[in-house]
Amino acid sequence: SQTIHQWPATLVQPVGSPLSLECTVEGTSNPNLYWYRQAAGRGLQLLFYSVGIGQISSEVPQNLSASRPQDRQFILSSKKLLLSDSGFYLCAWSVVGGASDTQYFGPGTRLTVL
Amino acid sequence: SQQGEEDPQALSIQEGENATMNCSYKTSINNLQWYRQNSGRGLVHLILIRSNEREKHSGRLRVTLDTSKKSSSLLITASRAADTASYFCATGAGGTSYGKLTFGQGTILTVHP
Repeated sequence: SQTIHQWPATLVQPVGSPLSLECTVEGTSNPNLYWYRQAAGRGLQLLFYSVGIGQISSEVPQNLSASRPQDRQFILSSKKLLLSDSGFYLCAWSVVGGASDTQYFGPGTRLTVL
Repeated sequence: SQQGEEDPQALSIQEGENATMNCSYKTSINNLQWYRQNSGRGLVHLILIRSNEREKHSGRLRVTLDTSKKSSSLLITASRAADTASYFCATGAGGTSYGKLTFGQGTILTVHP
């Protein structure tokens, strides 16, 4: 069966510090991968998606970047965090060319920027 | 901007009652999905309905889709305290959209024992 991991679970960082959040998927190959941010427990905003190694698409301009160095690894980064980067970050995967767009989510990372 | 908009934003009911949540969207879709999120956790897929379907059931869940009105509803029958969570609708365009979904703002459901 497929599983998706995210770490760390929580993170408190000062403004201006760098960020690296990691997401890995097990039990599937060549998945679509997604990074979302959720503010105040409400709607999800799609930040990045990837259809393959090294292929990253950004949905909104921002202080963050993403990379996919391996097939089942997705990394969210920032060189200098802003207060507005605080939120709940969710990674998800879906089957490439699947019959549906169903996404499977990780447990999330709670980021607080002080 | 968010494609899906849920209504109501919050719903409080007693155990055993039915809970109905609505979702509206703006553009053509291939499918509409409902997800559940317990506090501080990731989202869990509940049910998917395709654009050529009008109603779908899964256990205590019933989803309807009206593409002419660009709306969907999720009914949870005989609710339980464990159903307390946030519920999100998400629309998928299918085709070459790379599986991307657009999520609504969610409905916070509280079921009192």
